[in-house]
Amino acid sequence: AQSVTQLDSHVSVSEGTPVLLRCNYSSSYSPSLFWYVQHPNKGLQLLLKYTSAATLVKGINGFEAEFKKSETSFHLTKPSAHMSDAAEYFCVVSLYSSASKIIFGSGTRLSIRP
Amino acid sequence: DSGVTQTPKHLITATGQRVTLRCSPRSGDLSVYWYQQSLDQGLQFLIQYYNGEERAKGNILERFSAQQFPDLHSELNLSSLELGDSALYFCASSVLAADSSEQFFGPGTRLTVL
Repeated sequence: AQSVTQLDSHVSVSEGTPVLLRCNYSSSYSPSLFWYVQHPNKGLQLLLKYTSAATLVKGINGFEAEFKKSETSFHLTKPSAHMSDAAEYFCVVSLYSSASKIIFGSGTRLSIRP
Repeated sequence: DSGVTQTPKHLITATGQRVTLRCSPRSGDLSVYWYQQSLDQGLQFLIQYYNGEERAKGNILERFSAQQFPDLHSELNLSSLELGDSALYFCASSVLAADSSEQFFGPGTRLTVL
């Protein structure tokens, strides 16, 4: 069975400091993994995705994520937070098998302190 | 602007009623997804259509149904509405049906059941 766990419901960092949003997944097969961002009262936007190519994935707005199979993790990072990064972030597992599933994590709310 | 449109933007109705939510995918996208976002359940994948055919099913209740029409727009029908169905309903579209496909999300329809 597939599952995805976002380890922090809320992360608060100061502007200009690094961001780390943690995501662990569970899957019997090789999944595709995504990070999406949702700004207040907006739809979701893709930040980046992993699809079994390079394990370090670069996304938009300076975000990166590293796929670590041994740790079943796909943590999202950014070297320097910006005020505009304040939003809700979702880690997503997608696997089209006999039980096709798209599973969203519970979300991590990122706050940026001035 | 993702290119995905959803109507209506807001919908207020009473318990026991039936509503239809409409989604127009991005030009050229063949796949449409429906999601429900609520405070207690988070973001849940409901159902996916690809080129008019049901492709994957998530946590969709039997009271809910969807279809994708020949012009590729999709409708989500919610019947015998309950208070707990109050949520934000998102539609997303992608070019392909593959699990690695990037999804583009619409702005959502906020449903309030009184």
